[in-house]
Amino acid sequence: SQTIHQWPATLVQPVGSPLSLECTVEGTSNPNLYWYRQAAGRGLQLLFYSVGIGQISSEVPQNLSASRPQDRQFILSSKKLLLSDSGFYLCAWSVQPKNTGELFFGEGSRLTVL
Amino acid sequence: KNQVEQSPQSLIILEGKNCTLQCNYTVSPFSNLRWYKQDTGRGPVSLTIMTFSENTKSNGRYTATLDADTKQSSLHITASQLSDSASYICVVSAPGTASKLTFGTGTRLQVTL
Repeated sequence: SQTIHQWPATLVQPVGSPLSLECTVEGTSNPNLYWYRQAAGRGLQLLFYSVGIGQISSEVPQNLSASRPQDRQFILSSKKLLLSDSGFYLCAWSVQPKNTGELFFGEGSRLTVL
Repeated sequence: KNQVEQSPQSLIILEGKNCTLQCNYTVSPFSNLRWYKQDTGRGPVSLTIMTFSENTKSNGRYTATLDADTKQSSLHITASQLSDSASYICVVSAPGTASKLTFGTGTRLQVTL
């Protein structure tokens, strides 16, 4: 069976510090991978998605970046965090090539920027 | 602009009671509609998926309906349990990759004794 792991679960960082959130998927090959952010009272916002190693599409311009160094690894990074980066970050995967729209989410990472 | 609106924003019901959550969307073209359940501090989990030709689909005590003409969906929860307390998110998909998903803001359901 497929599983998705995301860490760290919680993170408190000062403004201006770097960020690295990691996500790995097990039990499937060549998945679509996604990073979402969920702010309180708002719907999930797609930040990045990837259809293959080294292929990253950005949906929202911001000070975040994503990388996919391996087939089942997805990393969300920032060089300098802003207060507005606080939120609940979710990694997800879906099946390629045909996507029925089902996303399988990780447990999330709650980031607080102080 | 593609939008998904859910109502009510929040709901409190007694254990054992039924409830219905609403989802209206303006996404076009339409591929499918999913309801996700998200426990507090956890990632969402898919409950049901409905395509254009499906009117009703059940998953245990959860029953989703879809009216593609009026672009409305509902999620009915029967005989609610404390474990049903969660946010329920309606997600509408356009054809293509999952980057074409539009998420509602969710309905927060609390089931009490």
